[in-house]
Amino acid sequence: KAGVTQTPRYLIKTRGQQVTLSCSPISGHRSVSWYQQTPGQGLQFLFEYFSETQRNKGNFPGRFSGRQFSNSRSEMNVSTLELGDSALYLCASSEGHLPQYFGPGTRLTVL
Amino acid sequence: AQSVTQLDSHVSVSEGTPVLLRCNYSSSYSPSLFWYVQHPNKGLQLLLKYTSAATLVKGINGFEAEFKKSETSFHLTKPSAHMRDAAEYFCVVRTDGGSQGNLIFGKGTKLSVKP
Repeated sequence: KAGVTQTPRYLIKTRGQQVTLSCSPISGHRSVSWYQQTPGQGLQFLFEYFSETQRNKGNFPGRFSGRQFSNSRSEMNVSTLELGDSALYLCASSEGHLPQYFGPGTRLTVL
Repeated sequence: AQSVTQLDSHVSVSEGTPVLLRCNYSSSYSPSLFWYVQHPNKGLQLLLKYTSAATLVKGINGFEAEFKKSETSFHLTKPSAHMRDAAEYFCVVRTDGGSQGNLIFGKGTKLSVKP
């Protein structure tokens, strides 16, 4: 079985720009969740989608948004980027509520 | 408020010796607890989970963890370390029935295994 795929793996943007990250879950998994990982804050939950519906949302500003498509692929969007948004963004795939497998992440650098 | 503390940021052991990665949690409710592993250049993977059934939980690759309510601990152990166990390990607490929104990750413990 193919693992969780995230694209792109690396991204460099400047302040004020927006960015879209993509995640393809493991085949058959309908739940996709997103996490932000930084050295200072560690791993923090962003949101979770199940069958195209946002099931839960973490404590992040509205600049962070996401969606899920009918094939379970998910995208995460961050608008008006700030320096503090520099982080590793991880996507997790699961059949139920508990994330089972994470992708390798997208490393976002905001200059 | 819920929290999880991994007591060691880095643990180093020799191959063939026991592994102990310590985790303490704080929760107002009966928690669900998990350990995840992240190998170099690979994604996080669920190692094992405790959800109020047996207090001793067995996971993949010979790891196990014991839930001790009196000590608010969920330490991860393995009798004999292998080189392939070198990775970062995260202790995670969840304090409601099913929502991912209350998953709280520890800061992680890097395990090094010396030949």
